Amino acid sequence: GPKVLQIPSHQIIDMGQMVTLNCDPVSNHLYFYWYKQILGQQMEFLVNFYNGKVMEKSKLFKDQFSVERPDGSYFTLKIQPTALEDSAVYFCASSLQDTQYFGPGTRLLVL
Amino acid sequence: GDSVTQTEGQVTVSESKSLIINCTYSATSIGYPNLFWYVRYPGEGLQLLLKVITAGQKGSSRGFEATYNKEATSFHLQKASVQESDSAVYYCALSLSTGGNNKLTFGQGTVLSVIP
Repeated sequence: GPKVLQIPSHQIIDMGQMVTLNCDPVSNHLYFYWYKQILGQQMEFLVNFYNGKVMEKSKLFKDQFSVERPDGSYFTLKIQPTALEDSAVYFCASSLQDTQYFGPGTRLLVL
Repeated sequence: GDSVTQTEGQVTVSESKSLIINCTYSATSIGYPNLFWYVRYPGEGLQLLLKVITAGQKGSSRGFEATYNKEATSFHLQKASVQESDSAVYYCALSLSTGGNNKLTFGQGTVLSVIP
């Protein structure tokens, strides 16, 4: 089936630094999403993105978070500055309609 | 807010036996949500197993079935005879809109272990 790729698979970073998580979505998809899963907890919606704009974001999408997809390249999630509570696995997804296709996740550890 | 509750923790089933993973939901919007089962096999990303967007309908895939029961607000996942290759983490999820630009609300996941 369609594949979504995420780079890197793991990232360790010091608190206060900036991190960018990269997602390579399915090529003809139009809608893009980020989800966050803290160890032992449910996967939770962060944000969705369409036509260059954030359409909806949850309360987990703090002011330190931003997303973009410049010129149809990677769909990125940037966290600046990072905090300890940002440690989690971040999943990217893309869709053409209602079926979302997920990447394998980026495991972020903030020290 | 919207929520999904599914069978907690780990379920262990012997090969060729039947399986049921319970899922109930609560949705605050008018109308009925779309319901999904996603699966994550060891070492792989989350993938769609089946979906049903019409209340009362049944979805099926790879021998799994789930019926959208709007009266009971349930979407239980069933399989008559499991195989070792079904060992994975299963997630029930809902969304409130059709088309793109929707968000999924997930259950906590159920780890299925099938023993030979």
